[in-house]
Amino acid sequence: EAGVTQSPTHLIKTRGQQATLRCSPISGHTSVYWYQQALGLGLQFLLWYDEGEERNRGNFPPRFSGRQFPNYSSELNVNALELEDSALYLCASSPGLAGRHEQFFGPGTRLTVL
Amino acid sequence: GQNIDQPTEMTATEGAIVQINCTYQTSGFNGLFWYQQHAGEAPTFLSYNVLDGLEEKGRFSSFLSRSKGYSYLLLKELQMKDSASYLCAFNQAGTALIFGKGTTLSVSS
Repeated sequence: EAGVTQSPTHLIKTRGQQATLRCSPISGHTSVYWYQQALGLGLQFLLWYDEGEERNRGNFPPRFSGRQFPNYSSELNVNALELEDSALYLCASSPGLAGRHEQFFGPGTRLTVL
Repeated sequence: GQNIDQPTEMTATEGAIVQINCTYQTSGFNGLFWYQQHAGEAPTFLSYNVLDGLEEKGRFSSFLSRSKGYSYLLLKELQMKDSASYLCAFNQAGTALIFGKGTTLSVSS
């Protein structure tokens, strides 16, 4: 069974640009979560999508947005990039609202903002 | 509010036992998770506790006390490959996981 996949692996942007990160969940999983892991900080919750709807978002500005497609894959968009947006962005999936809510993580996208 | 706390760093030697503690404060608690994260890699699931008590899985065990807002991860027969960051996280009423900052464990020979 394929795990959670993310693309690209690395992304380099300059301040003010936009970044788009993609995630494909484990087959059968309907929930997708996005986390930011900046150097020296823990995983910070960004967004949660389930069945195509945004269910919850963390304490991040509106320039962090995303969507979930009918096939349950997801996209994270970061507009007006700032230097402090440089971080590892992790996507996780779970079977949805039922079950133990264990989340399976993808390998992450390393975003560098210059 | 919600809060989760764990030690920043711990060191131990091969073959030893180490206990990593985690304390949390939240409402609508729905389970406590432990993840392992090696440098530059994604977190991998270790354990899940939703009821009080000890859950044992091979060399790793996890304990939960809901009344005390306390959990620990116990690692036995430590190996060099156990050097990693250990993340404590709680699930609040079916929402996303709230993670602690992680405990970096260094195992030496």
